[in-house]
Amino acid sequence: DTAVSQTPKYLVTQMGNDKSIKCEQNLGHDTMYWYKQDSKKFLKIMFSYNNKELIINETVPNRFSPKSPDKAHLNLHINSLELGDSAVYFCASSPGLPQGEQYFGPGTRLTVT
Amino acid sequence: DQQVKQNSPSLSVQEGRISILNCDYTNSMFDYFLWYKKYPAEGPTFLISISSIKDKNEDGRFTVFLNKSAKHLSLHIVPSQPGDSAVYFCAASGGATNKLIFGTGTLLAVQP
Repeated sequence: DTAVSQTPKYLVTQMGNDKSIKCEQNLGHDTMYWYKQDSKKFLKIMFSYNNKELIINETVPNRFSPKSPDKAHLNLHINSLELGDSAVYFCASSPGLPQGEQYFGPGTRLTVT
Repeated sequence: DQQVKQNSPSLSVQEGRISILNCDYTNSMFDYFLWYKKYPAEGPTFLISISSIKDKNEDGRFTVFLNKSAKHLSLHIVPSQPGDSAVYFCAASGGATNKLIFGTGTLLAVQP
């Protein structure tokens, strides 16, 4: 059984387009996250939701908007895509706060041309 | 400012020997530390963690050591196996949000 799943795994699109990445977890966790791994392989937190409430919102362009319809889902919508948005995006979940290991999805490789 | 640093980008070890991966941090507010393993085209997989109230945690072949005064942690893998070849990330968190700050990773190659 897949614990944290993301769709799509690969996404190739042109500059200026709007795209969404979906994430679902079946672990019953309360907290979900989005991370970005850039070309230098550096993993950075973008957003976190706890019980559908936004609790972390790092310095990310407002073209990025997370949406959590329920505890098991956290989607990432990106407007007006730019070349610099090309990266691997990882979704993760954890049982709760303030500590706990996070379980990651397989990643979505976004390429903007 | 890089709050979590892994100064060795790569490490090569013979099968059966010990692998030691190191990590340094600068933020004294960090109170929980984790190690993740990552294979290409996959997400990071949780390996082992340690709270700041401990100085050692062991799980099978994996042991994490924490030296708070030096702001240093290390992951020992013994004996190393070829399947351990991957990128290892250390991460730290502190405060109420469980935000993980990751290091830049160390590529471990275990030679048969």
